[in-house]
Amino acid sequence: AQSVTQLDSHVSVSEGTPVLLRCNYSSSYSPSLFWYVQHPNKGLQLLLKYTSAATLVKGINGFEAEFKKSETSFHLTKPSAHMSDAAEYFCVVSERGSGNTGKLIFGQGTTLQVKP
Amino acid sequence: DTAVSQTPKYLVTQMGNDKSIKCEQNLGHDTMYWYKQDSKKFLKIMFSYNNKELIINETVPNRFSPKSPDKAHLNLHINSLELGDSAVYFCASSQDWQGREKLFFGSGTQLSVL
Repeated sequence: AQSVTQLDSHVSVSEGTPVLLRCNYSSSYSPSLFWYVQHPNKGLQLLLKYTSAATLVKGINGFEAEFKKSETSFHLTKPSAHMSDAAEYFCVVSERGSGNTGKLIFGQGTTLQVKP
Repeated sequence: DTAVSQTPKYLVTQMGNDKSIKCEQNLGHDTMYWYKQDSKKFLKIMFSYNNKELIINETVPNRFSPKSPDKAHLNLHINSLELGDSAVYFCASSQDWQGREKLFFGSGTQLSVL
C-alpha cells in the first residue's frame, strides 16, 4: 500500500533563506510523486512531478525536488524564499502497477511561513 | 478563462437539507475528481470519473452521489446534510486517469452545515 508522510507540519524561514520541505513515501511499485501548493482560499497548483525520468526535478517558481529511492524521500527545496511562497504544500504519491486506479495519496501538508 | 470552475464558492445550509455543487472543466480532459479537504487541510479523494465512467469510489456515505452528464461536467449531490460534512470540496480534472499527470483544481466550495 502506498503512503506519504510530510515530516514537518509547519516550517518558518526568513525571506531570502533556503527552503526545505521534507517528504517520505512508501510504495510497492514505482511511484509517481508530486508537490502541490495551495495559497489561502485557492485551489491546488502543481509545482513539479517525478515520473521515473531524471531524479532531480525542477518545477515552477524556482522550486525543485530530488527523488531518492534508497531513502524513499522526495524533499522540496528552494534556494531563496520569497514572501509569496507562504502557503500550504502537499506531497502526493500515485502508485503505478497492476490494479492502478489513479488514486493519489496526499500528505498531511506543510505550512510554509516566510518572515520578512 | 477558468480551466476548472465550480459553483457555488460558499454554501451555508441547515442539517438535513439536500445540496449540489457543480463543476465544469474546459480543458478537454477525460478524467474528473471530487476531493474533500477537512479543517486540518487533509485532502482525500472521494470520486473519480473517466469519460463519464466511475473509476474511484472511496468509502463515502451513499448520501453523496456524483453525476457526470458529460465528460466536461462532474456534479456532486449531497442528501441529508450532516454537521460532519462541513469541509471544502474541490473538483479537479486530468488528462490521465492513472494518476501520472497533473491535476487541475477548481478554487473550492466551502460547505458549512449548521
